Amino acid sequence: SQTIHQWPATLVQPVGSPLSLECTVEGTSNPNLYWYRQAAGRGLQLLFYSVGIGQISSEVPQNLSASRPQDRQFILSSKKLLLSDSGFYLCACHGGASSYNEQFFGPGTRLTVL
Amino acid sequence: GNSVTQMEGPVTLSEEAFLTINCTYTATGYPSLFWYVQYPGEGLQLLLKATKADDKGSNKGFEATYRKETTSFHLEKGSVQVSDSAVYFCAPSEGFGNEKLTFGTGTRLTIIP
Repeated sequence: SQTIHQWPATLVQPVGSPLSLECTVEGTSNPNLYWYRQAAGRGLQLLFYSVGIGQISSEVPQNLSASRPQDRQFILSSKKLLLSDSGFYLCACHGGASSYNEQFFGPGTRLTVL
Repeated sequence: GNSVTQMEGPVTLSEEAFLTINCTYTATGYPSLFWYVQYPGEGLQLLLKATKADDKGSNKGFEATYRKETTSFHLEKGSVQVSDSAVYFCAPSEGFGNEKLTFGTGTRLTIIP
């Protein structure tokens, strides 16, 4: 089964600083990958998804970007963080044909922008 | 796209009480339906799922039935435990292809001994 790694687990960054969050996946090939954000006390918002290397779709306008340099690596970035970027960031992987639409989630990265 | 309306929280119950968390959805396609659970400080875990009308998903004593006629997928458990305290998310998928999920706002459940 799939295993999703995310790092760092927690991060505190000043406003205006850059950001790089990494997600790697084991146990599957050519997965669909997703980045979600969960703001405090709120639901999950889909930020980006990717169906393959170099293929990124953005769901909401924002100052974040995503990249997929390798099949099982998904990176979330920002050049200049805003206070509103604080939240819990979750990477997810679609399980493939055998799991019938199920998504698997990583442990998340808690980002605090000060 | 899809949308989800989920029961507002927080919900507080005593141990061994009966639980219902309501979820209704709108979808243009024929979605699969999921309940995910998030324990404090963790990512989401799949709790149960149903992939076609009248299917019943079940896991850890929780159940939910895919009701196409009412576009609902209510989560139930007959006797909750303190360890069930978590946030629960209802999520329909969009169907084959990207398999994007639309999440409800989540329902925070607290079980008191």
